Amino acid sequence: DGGITQSPKYLFRKEGQNVTLSCEQNLNHDAMYWYRQDPGQGLRLIYYSQIVNDFQKGDIAEGYSVSREKKESFPLTVTSAQKNPTAFYLCASKDNAGTNQPQHFGDGTRLSIL
Amino acid sequence: GQQVMQIPQYQHVQEGEDFTTYCNSSTTLSNIQWYKQRPGGHPVFLIQLVKSGEVKKQKRLTFQFGEAKKNSSLHITATQTTDVGTYFCAGHGCARQLTFGSGTQLTVLP
Repeated sequence: DGGITQSPKYLFRKEGQNVTLSCEQNLNHDAMYWYRQDPGQGLRLIYYSQIVNDFQKGDIAEGYSVSREKKESFPLTVTSAQKNPTAFYLCASKDNAGTNQPQHFGDGTRLSIL
Repeated sequence: GQQVMQIPQYQHVQEGEDFTTYCNSSTTLSNIQWYKQRPGGHPVFLIQLVKSGEVKKQKRLTFQFGEAKKNSSLHITATQTTDVGTYFCAGHGCARQLTFGSGTQLTVLP
């Protein structure tokens, strides 16, 4: 069954710690995205990647980093520089980066501060 | 930068009543997409509108794209408890990537 898998579902971060959220897709999609969702707000774009070994900053990239070494994987690292990391993080993918295709989302990771 | 505003932020309706959410963009959009996110879930794509003045229907849901391609609406007729969730519009405009509205959270009271 094709889809997007995010792990873990829940994650806790200590002060000064970096944590990495996993996103894997088997849809053979070119483009992948990371969004942050805060209560009562829409989705804000953190980073996106249109092709392997390339990625671009979104609207709120500060305090985050990504890599795209494989087509199916797009991990997000929340660094200690991100002072307010508590949020719901959603990964998405799209068939062709250059077209207006719909985005497919994973189930998300809820990150909290200890 | 491009902004997409959505109203209302929250809406409570009695089961059987109609519901409408409105989406307005600060810039002209090439397309508008609508997504639904159930409580505790992830956004799921509902539909895409591309043409000026376009209207599409999915059972009790009616989607419209404005003539100027800067606004859109989603109307649900005779809501059911299964309609509960947050509805997001999202569009491609001057920004290369999809810009999401803030969403309308719908509660349906039985």
